Amino acid sequence: EIVLTQSPGTLSLSPGERATLSCRASQSVSSSYLAWYQQKPGQAPRLLIYGASSRATGIPDRFSGSGSGTDFTLTISRLEPEDFAVYYCQQYGSSTRWTFGQGTKVEIK
Amino acid sequence: EVQLVESGGGLVKPGGSLRLSCAASGFTFSSYSMNWVRQAPGKGLEWVSSISSSSSYIYYADSVKGRFTISRDNAKNSLYLQMNSLRAEDTAVYYCAREVGGVYWYFDLWGRGTLVTVSS
Repeated sequence: EIVLTQSPGTLSLSPGERATLSCRASQSVSSSYLAWYQQKPGQAPRLLIYGASSRATGIPDRFSGSGSGTDFTLTISRLEPEDFAVYYCQQYGSSTRWTFGQGTKVEIK
Repeated sequence: EVQLVESGGGLVKPGGSLRLSCAASGFTFSSYSMNWVRQAPGKGLEWVSSISSSSSYIYYADSVKGRFTISRDNAKNSLYLQMNSLRAEDTAVYYCAREVGGVYWYFDLWGRGTLVTVSS
């Protein structure tokens, strides 16, 4: 079973700053199977990135994803007020189906 | 409008049962695999179960295997989750989510969720 570990648990930043979120897998993951989601309080998760680096429809280009193998990164180039939220990585596995990381909260400093 | 709407949540006693529904609209429901994902209060996301477009393939998380049953009715554009032998740790918001697979794999559409509370 692949475990996804996200770090840091909480990221305290100011609007306009750059956010770098990490997702580390316990075994190598195909980039095609790695996605990122944003969740705001009281809302459902929203797809941001799929295939490790492809932005979903309507997602601003300040969001970018990168990585391969066991190390993946979500970067928000300049934080907007609406970007303060919790972010989850997710991977697909043929045997275990779907696994989520525990989340990284991006909060206003 | 493309959307998923969950219903059926509520308060149930430990050991009890509940059936969740997810109504799909605005897309060809029968073409997609569907999933249930839950989120305990203040916690992260946990995948619960998947069902393929024709119900041929069904998967469960170990935490619910033997207690929960996923099903769908493509004629009614609906997804279901029958939950039996409920425990306090099943308390969560339950989301249905549309799965995209093939080259890339991810959930591209989520409902707003329905809250299940298991308590005496």
